[in-house]
Amino acid sequence: GAVVSQHPSWVICKSGTSVKIECRSLDFQATTMFWYRQFPKQSLMLMATSNEGSKATYEQGVEKDKFLINHASLTLSTLTVTSAHPEDSSFYICSARGDREGRTEAFFGQGTRLTVV
Amino acid sequence: DAKTTQPPSMDCAEGRAANLPCNHSTISGNEYVYWYRQIHSQGPQYIIHGLKNNETNEMASLIITEDRKSSTLILPHATLRDTAVYYCIVRYPGANSKLTFGKGITLSVRP
Repeated sequence: GAVVSQHPSWVICKSGTSVKIECRSLDFQATTMFWYRQFPKQSLMLMATSNEGSKATYEQGVEKDKFLINHASLTLSTLTVTSAHPEDSSFYICSARGDREGRTEAFFGQGTRLTVV
Repeated sequence: DAKTTQPPSMDCAEGRAANLPCNHSTISGNEYVYWYRQIHSQGPQYIIHGLKNNETNEMASLIITEDRKSSTLILPHATLRDTAVYYCIVRYPGANSKLTFGKGITLSVRP
Protein backbone atom coordinates (compact mmCIF):
# COMPACT_ATOMS: atom_id res chain seq x y z
CA GLY A 1 0.00 0.00 0.00
CA ALA A 2 0.91 3.66 -0.22
CA VAL A 3 3.56 4.76 2.21
CA VAL A 4 3.62 8.42 1.17
CA SER A 5 0.37 10.28 0.84
CA GLN A 6 -0.10 13.60 -0.92
CA HIS A 7 -3.10 15.84 -0.59
CA PRO A 8 -4.88 17.08 -2.56
CA SER A 9 -4.58 14.93 -5.68
CA TRP A 10 -5.63 17.85 -7.80
CA VAL A 11 -6.49 21.49 -7.25
CA ILE A 12 -7.69 24.34 -9.38
CA CYS A 13 -7.06 27.83 -8.08
CA LYS A 14 -7.38 31.38 -9.27
CA SER A 15 -4.37 33.36 -10.34
CA GLY A 16 -2.87 35.28 -7.41
CA THR A 17 -4.03 32.90 -4.70
CA SER A 18 -1.87 30.50 -2.68
CA VAL A 19 -2.13 26.74 -2.62
CA LYS A 20 -0.82 24.34 0.03
CA ILE A 21 0.10 20.76 -0.77
CA GLU A 22 0.67 18.25 2.02
CA CYS A 23 2.96 15.25 1.95
CA ARG A 24 2.79 12.65 4.69
CA SER A 25 4.85 9.56 5.36
CA LEU A 26 2.40 7.01 6.66
CA ASP A 27 4.42 4.31 8.37
CA PHE A 28 7.92 5.66 8.77
CA GLN A 29 9.72 8.74 9.93
CA ALA A 30 10.88 10.77 6.98
CA THR A 31 14.11 12.48 7.87
CA THR A 32 14.37 13.94 4.39
CA MET A 33 11.70 15.02 1.97
CA PHE A 34 12.06 16.12 -1.61
CA TRP A 35 9.72 18.16 -3.78
CA TYR A 36 9.60 17.76 -7.54
CA ARG A 37 7.72 19.42 -10.35
CA GLN A 38 6.86 17.80 -13.65
CA PHE A 39 5.60 19.56 -16.76
CA PRO A 40 3.77 17.62 -19.50
CA LYS A 41 5.95 15.19 -21.42
CA GLN A 42 8.98 16.09 -19.30
CA SER A 43 10.86 14.37 -16.53
CA LEU A 44 10.71 15.19 -12.85
CA MET A 45 12.68 18.26 -11.82
CA LEU A 46 13.88 18.51 -8.25
CA MET A 47 12.77 21.75 -6.61
CA ALA A 48 14.04 21.43 -3.06
CA THR A 49 15.26 19.14 -0.31
CA SER A 50 14.09 19.51 3.26
CA ASN A 51 15.10 17.99 6.55
CA GLU A 52 12.84 17.94 9.56
CA GLY A 53 13.19 21.07 11.62
CA SER A 54 15.50 22.95 9.29
CA LYS A 55 15.20 25.20 6.27
CA ALA A 56 14.80 23.67 2.86
CA THR A 57 17.61 23.69 0.32
CA TYR A 58 16.36 24.91 -3.03
CA GLU A 59 17.70 23.95 -6.43
CA GLN A 60 19.09 26.64 -8.65
CA GLY A 61 16.38 28.67 -10.32
CA VAL A 62 13.64 27.77 -7.83
CA GLU A 63 12.29 30.81 -5.98
CA LYS A 64 12.23 30.05 -2.28
CA ASP A 65 9.85 32.91 -1.55
CA LYS A 66 7.36 31.58 -4.06
CA PHE A 67 7.57 27.91 -3.14
CA LEU A 68 7.47 27.77 0.65
CA ILE A 69 8.44 24.44 2.15
CA ASN A 70 7.83 23.49 5.75
CA HIS A 71 9.02 20.18 7.19
CA ALA A 72 7.66 20.59 10.68
CA SER A 73 7.61 16.95 11.73
CA LEU A 74 9.06 13.61 10.74
CA THR A 75 5.84 12.68 8.98
CA LEU A 76 4.69 15.89 7.34
CA SER A 77 6.05 18.35 4.82
CA THR A 78 4.09 21.04 3.05
CA LEU A 79 4.68 22.98 -0.14
CA THR A 80 2.88 26.28 -0.52
CA VAL A 81 2.77 27.86 -3.95
CA THR A 82 2.30 31.55 -3.21
CA SER A 83 0.65 34.00 -5.59
CA ALA A 84 0.16 31.26 -8.13
CA HIS A 85 0.14 32.09 -11.83
CA PRO A 86 -0.84 29.98 -14.84
CA GLU A 87 2.82 29.13 -15.51
CA ASP A 88 2.90 27.41 -12.10
CA SER A 89 0.40 24.87 -13.37
CA SER A 90 2.19 21.56 -13.12
CA PHE A 91 2.30 18.14 -11.48
CA TYR A 92 3.93 18.44 -8.06
CA ILE A 93 5.33 15.30 -6.46
CA CYS A 94 6.85 14.75 -3.05
CA SER A 95 9.24 12.06 -1.99
CA ALA A 96 10.19 10.93 1.48
CA ARG A 97 13.20 9.04 2.72
CA GLY A 98 13.86 7.65 6.12
CA ASP A 99 14.37 4.35 7.84
CA ARG A 100 11.40 2.22 6.87
CA GLU A 101 11.97 -1.36 7.93
CA GLY A 102 15.66 -0.84 7.33
CA ARG A 103 15.10 0.43 3.81
CA THR A 104 16.42 3.84 2.87
CA GLU A 105 15.17 4.26 -0.66
CA ALA A 106 12.88 7.17 -1.42
CA PHE A 107 9.13 6.66 -1.66
CA PHE A 108 6.94 8.95 -3.70
CA GLY A 109 3.51 10.41 -3.23
CA GLN A 110 0.87 10.09 -5.89
CA GLY A 111 1.34 13.67 -7.01
CA THR A 112 -0.79 16.81 -7.03
CA ARG A 113 -1.96 18.32 -10.28
CA LEU A 114 -2.18 22.08 -9.90
CA THR A 115 -4.08 24.14 -12.44
CA VAL A 116 -4.00 27.90 -12.08
CA VAL A 117 -6.70 29.74 -14.00
CA ASP B 1 25.99 12.03 -9.23
CA ALA B 2 26.91 10.04 -12.32
CA LYS B 3 24.73 10.43 -15.37
CA THR B 4 22.79 7.62 -16.97
CA THR B 5 21.78 7.09 -20.56
CA GLN B 6 18.78 5.06 -21.65
CA PRO B 7 17.17 4.47 -25.03
CA PRO B 8 14.06 6.61 -25.39
CA SER B 9 11.64 3.76 -25.88
CA MET B 10 11.11 0.09 -26.41
CA ASP B 11 8.25 -2.32 -26.61
CA CYS B 12 7.65 -5.93 -25.84
CA ALA B 13 4.85 -8.45 -26.06
CA GLU B 14 2.71 -9.23 -23.09
CA GLY B 15 3.97 -12.26 -21.22
CA ARG B 16 7.50 -11.92 -22.52
CA ALA B 17 10.49 -10.66 -20.60
CA ALA B 18 11.28 -6.96 -20.91
CA ASN B 19 14.98 -6.14 -20.70
CA LEU B 20 15.61 -2.44 -20.12
CA PRO B 21 19.22 -1.31 -20.54
CA CYS B 22 21.01 1.55 -18.82
CA ASN B 23 24.51 2.93 -19.23
CA HIS B 24 26.29 4.61 -16.33
CA SER B 25 29.92 4.60 -17.42
CA THR B 26 31.01 7.30 -14.93
CA ILE B 27 29.57 5.61 -11.88
CA SER B 28 31.66 5.90 -8.72
CA GLY B 29 32.58 3.03 -6.43
CA ASN B 30 29.96 3.74 -3.79
CA GLU B 31 27.11 4.87 -6.01
CA TYR B 32 24.06 2.67 -6.19
CA VAL B 33 21.92 1.98 -9.24
CA TYR B 34 18.22 2.60 -8.67
CA TRP B 35 15.26 1.91 -10.89
CA TYR B 36 11.92 3.64 -10.61
CA ARG B 37 8.95 3.69 -12.92
CA GLN B 38 6.19 6.19 -13.49
CA ILE B 39 2.83 5.17 -14.79
CA HIS B 40 0.98 8.00 -16.47
CA SER B 41 -0.14 10.76 -14.09
CA GLN B 42 1.14 8.99 -10.99
CA GLY B 43 4.13 9.43 -8.72
CA PRO B 44 7.21 7.29 -9.38
CA GLN B 45 7.26 3.80 -7.94
CA TYR B 46 10.41 2.22 -6.55
CA ILE B 47 11.37 -1.01 -8.28
CA ILE B 48 14.80 -2.17 -7.21
CA HIS B 49 18.32 -1.03 -6.48
CA GLY B 50 21.79 -2.53 -6.26
CA LEU B 51 25.47 -1.78 -5.79
CA LYS B 52 27.44 -4.49 -7.55
CA ASN B 53 25.64 -7.79 -7.08
CA ASN B 54 22.61 -8.81 -9.08
CA GLU B 55 19.38 -8.28 -7.21
CA THR B 56 15.91 -9.78 -7.50
CA ASN B 57 12.63 -8.97 -5.83
CA GLU B 58 8.98 -9.63 -6.49
CA MET B 59 8.85 -7.00 -9.22
CA ALA B 60 12.05 -7.38 -11.20
CA SER B 61 15.67 -8.42 -11.46
CA LEU B 62 18.62 -6.08 -11.74
CA ILE B 63 21.72 -7.25 -13.53
CA ILE B 64 24.81 -5.07 -13.05
CA THR B 65 27.88 -5.70 -15.19
CA GLU B 66 31.11 -6.56 -13.46
CA ASP B 67 32.65 -3.18 -14.31
CA ARG B 68 29.42 -1.53 -13.11
CA LYS B 69 29.26 0.66 -16.19
CA SER B 70 25.88 -0.64 -17.25
CA SER B 71 22.89 -2.50 -15.93
CA THR B 72 19.71 -4.16 -17.14
CA LEU B 73 16.34 -4.20 -15.49
CA ILE B 74 14.42 -7.36 -16.27
CA LEU B 75 10.66 -7.66 -15.94
CA PRO B 76 10.29 -11.41 -16.33
CA HIS B 77 6.70 -11.54 -17.56
CA ALA B 78 5.57 -8.14 -18.76
CA THR B 79 1.90 -7.24 -18.49
CA LEU B 80 -0.05 -4.34 -19.94
CA ARG B 81 0.11 -2.66 -16.53
CA ASP B 82 3.89 -2.49 -16.84
CA THR B 83 3.56 0.13 -19.57
CA ALA B 84 5.33 3.12 -18.04
CA VAL B 85 8.41 5.33 -18.12
CA TYR B 86 11.31 3.58 -16.41
CA TYR B 87 14.08 5.63 -14.85
CA CYS B 88 17.58 4.37 -14.14
CA ILE B 89 19.24 6.59 -11.55
CA VAL B 90 22.65 6.51 -9.92
CA ARG B 91 23.11 8.04 -6.51
CA TYR B 92 25.31 8.03 -3.46
CA PRO B 93 23.98 6.53 -0.25
CA GLY B 94 22.86 8.96 2.40
CA ALA B 95 19.59 10.50 3.45
CA ASN B 96 20.16 13.81 1.67
CA SER B 97 21.48 12.31 -1.53
CA LYS B 98 19.26 13.44 -4.38
CA LEU B 99 17.45 11.34 -6.94
CA THR B 100 18.01 13.13 -10.24
CA PHE B 101 15.68 11.95 -12.97
CA GLY B 102 16.69 11.78 -16.61
CA LYS B 103 14.30 11.23 -19.48
CA GLY B 104 13.89 7.53 -18.80
CA ILE B 105 12.80 4.84 -21.20
CA THR B 106 9.18 4.45 -22.23
CA LEU B 107 8.21 0.81 -22.18
CA SER B 108 5.11 -0.11 -24.15
CA VAL B 109 3.74 -3.58 -23.56
CA ARG B 110 1.59 -4.72 -26.44
CA PRO B 111 -1.16 -7.35 -26.19
